[in-house]
Amino acid sequence: AQKVTQAQTEISVVEKEDVTLDCVYETRDTTYYLFWYKQPPSGELVFLIRRNSFDEQNEISGRYSWNFQKSTSSFNFTITASQVVDSAVYFCALDSGNTPLVFGKGTRLSVIA
Amino acid sequence: GAGVSQSPRYKVAKRGQDVALRCDPISGHVSLFWYQQALGQGPEFLTYFQNEAQLDKSGLPSDRFFAERPEGSVSTLKIQRTQQEDSAVYLCASSSSLAGELDNEQFFGPGTRLTVL
Repeated sequence: AQKVTQAQTEISVVEKEDVTLDCVYETRDTTYYLFWYKQPPSGELVFLIRRNSFDEQNEISGRYSWNFQKSTSSFNFTITASQVVDSAVYFCALDSGNTPLVFGKGTRLSVIA
Repeated sequence: GAGVSQSPRYKVAKRGQDVALRCDPISGHVSLFWYQQALGQGPEFLTYFQNEAQLDKSGLPSDRFFAERPEGSVSTLKIQRTQQEDSAVYLCASSSSLAGELDNEQFFGPGTRLTVL
């Protein structure tokens, strides 16, 4: 079965702090993709990153970075120097191709000025 | 307007009423997905269309839920005899690739928030 666990329901940080959002996944497939989406109050899911199972290189995009570790089935997301505009719900998702996209329950991030 | 659009953005229905939710995908996208997102939860898959063909409806929670995409573009999700547990945000997504192709980036609409009283 495909499963995504985001253990952190809500996180609050003060602006400029770094914050890491955890994602642990379960799949028996050897080929799969992992995603992170941002859902601001407007409701639309905004694509942040896609990573395939064969590429364990960490990725950095501006203040965002992702740490993919197959050994622990984790795909964690770090925001450096957080800003109020980062406040949103963040979802991790798994796509193994044979089943529909599976989302975690999300982590609500509040960045306080 | 290049993104996925959905209408209405908000819908309030009395229990027992029928509702129809519309999704306009990105032009040319062959794949269209519907998801249901309950409060405080992640989106959950409902159904998938490849052009006009509904290839997967395994996520539809009951036979009160029906979706169609007759011309392979606009899609409508219909819920008959709505119940309070149907209250949720209904998200539509489209993609230029096919489900099953792993490099399948889905573009999401803003959703329709359905409240059943």
